[in-house]
Amino acid sequence: NAGVTQTPKFQVLKTGQSMTLQCAQDMNHNSMYWYRQDPGMGLRLIYYSASEGTTDKGEVPNGYNVSRLNKREFSLRLESAAPSQTSVYFCASQRGSGFGYTFGSGTRLTVV
Amino acid sequence: QQQVKQSPQSLIVQKGGISIINCAYENTAFDYFPWYQQFPGKGPALLIAIRPDVSEKKEGRFTISFNKSAKQFSLHIMDSQPGDSATYFCAASRQQGAQKLVFGQGTRLTINP
Repeated sequence: NAGVTQTPKFQVLKTGQSMTLQCAQDMNHNSMYWYRQDPGMGLRLIYYSASEGTTDKGEVPNGYNVSRLNKREFSLRLESAAPSQTSVYFCASQRGSGFGYTFGSGTRLTVV
Repeated sequence: QQQVKQSPQSLIVQKGGISIINCAYENTAFDYFPWYQQFPGKGPALLIAIRPDVSEKKEGRFTISFNKSAKQFSLHIMDSQPGDSATYFCAASRQQGAQKLVFGQGTRLTINP
């Protein structure tokens, strides 16, 4: 049982390049989330998907797009990377309201 | 009204001591308050959670104390061990609908042997 799998683990991008961060869960969870973690700022919600077929903006959605491809997979896309998007990105899934999140191990992204 | 404020930013405790981390929230609609533990290079992992119908919840050496009127909650780690050294995050959300957690800024805890 792998839980939440994120790829890649590390990535360096040049300003203006695009990339997609992949996330997959094997726990049959309904809800999935993308957070970014920056020093001194905790984790901030970028986008979330309450259930398959739905996506909504979180606190810091600018510069990002998401796709809930199916119940298992929730991807995050940076169309034109900026240095301000240098961060550690975490994907999480949740069985339903009232249950805790299960996080992946993160993607460390550097934009130069 | 979405902020969760966490203190201190860092904490050093001697082995066997009590570690205390505090959080305050603003949104009175929040009714789910979890704590997460994160080790370097790993994702956060759920440690313990409380709902506002109780004032305290204990799981082993970890206790959450909750004060609804003050809109504050805290994590106490009893008999702190070097293996407890990690970053701790408090969070809060509503339980209805999509449970979008709002996280505190994090506390880096170091337990000295």
